Amino acid sequence: EPEVTQTPSHQVTQMGQEVILRCVPISNHLYFYWYRQILGQKVEFLVSFYNNEISEKSEIFDDQFSVERPDGSNFTLKIRSTKLEDSAMYFCASSLTDEQYFGPGTRLTVT
Amino acid sequence: DQQVKQNSPSLSVQEGRISILNCDYTNSMFDYFLWYKKYPAEGPTFLISISSIKDKNEDGRFTVFLNKSAKHLSLHIVPSQPGDSAVYFCAASAGGNKLVFGAGTILRVKS
Repeated sequence: EPEVTQTPSHQVTQMGQEVILRCVPISNHLYFYWYRQILGQKVEFLVSFYNNEISEKSEIFDDQFSVERPDGSNFTLKIRSTKLEDSAMYFCASSLTDEQYFGPGTRLTVT
Repeated sequence: DQQVKQNSPSLSVQEGRISILNCDYTNSMFDYFLWYKKYPAEGPTFLISISSIKDKNEDGRFTVFLNKSAKHLSLHIVPSQPGDSAVYFCAASAGGNKLVFGAGTILRVKS
């Protein structure tokens, strides 16, 4: 069964460093998303991406964040200058219709 | 953001009995509702969904009921199995884009 994959599973970085989280969505899906879950909090939407552009973004998704689909298979989330409060699980998701399928997540730890 | 609420943090059920997980929402623009199951250190796994034009959707042991007038939905699992023990998230979308998640309910199925 096709699935969303994410790398790395765990990323540790120092405050102020740039990180890139990578995702390979399900191959025939057209819509791509990033969500995050801070420990003990809800899963929260960051950004959605369709037809090579951002279709919606949340207030969290400020100028420090960017997304890219550099080729036909990868979907990346870049955080330009990480802060302590960016520590969270980051989930990539993709969809063809209304059901979104999630990857296993990347645990980002900012020290 | 309290648009989707799961008021029961946890639920304990005997194997073979019915599990009922509840979810309330406040945004009348939501038109699609989903249930996800999540194990520790994994991403949310899609279980079942329902459109606002329906009041019931069934898939094997899982049934979702939607009461639009009460802005309430529930997930029934019959019969419950020990492997169903996980965190269950209710999520909603308006116009098929970002998902808004509830806080989750921990289900424990005792054998």
